[in-house]
Amino acid sequence: QKEVEQDPGPLSVPEGAIVSLNCTYSNSAFQYFMWYRQYSRKGPELLMYTYSSGNKEDGRFTAQVDKSSKYISLFIRDSQPSDSATYLCAVLYGSSNTGKLIFGQGTTLQVKP
Amino acid sequence: DTAVSQTPKYLVTQMGNDKSIKCEQNLGHDTMYWYKQDSKKFLKIMFSYNNKELIINETVPNRFSPKSPDKAHLNLHINSLELGDSAVYFCASTQDRGLDTEAFFGQGTRLTVV
Repeated sequence: QKEVEQDPGPLSVPEGAIVSLNCTYSNSAFQYFMWYRQYSRKGPELLMYTYSSGNKEDGRFTAQVDKSSKYISLFIRDSQPSDSATYLCAVLYGSSNTGKLIFGQGTTLQVKP
Repeated sequence: DTAVSQTPKYLVTQMGNDKSIKCEQNLGHDTMYWYKQDSKKFLKIMFSYNNKELIINETVPNRFSPKSPDKAHLNLHINSLELGDSAVYFCASTQDRGLDTEAFFGQGTRLTVV
């Protein structure tokens, strides 16, 4: 079993739709959770991070963590064609300078105009 | 100015060859990484260096050897390239500040072994 599991998709939605992206993780020691966005032929970029259970909102994006069920979600409201990318969930294992990011497989999202 | 830059962007080479990928960051970060992304977009850490010291060495064939001449540079040398080494290799860097750490990635080096 991978440490972080993510449905690779692809996921195709019409413009304006609400998108839900999900990950599960196996180790309850993970305490820091991130979403990275990767456009085609580019490196990943941090989109959102959170370290506690609950919701964190940033514009059209909401990150949600449920530590009791080891579940991470990213919601995108009013999705735009510019949101078309691969979304990678990640957890930080260990401290920042000795730890490592463990990524899910990434979900490819296409938002159609 | 590019924060994390890798060269080359594309690399096509034959099996058995030795090749290097270079990475430089101008962010003043203390920690640098190499990640490998396979054809299914799965991104996995290979190595990390903190202030030129090897911190993480995942289960990577010893044909892969990272070298950090200073904390702004982390190069990756690969000996005796194999078909299975074909992937996109990403360099990344972070600044140590506890858990609230953002990794900055380069654009990637697309390696194709033929």
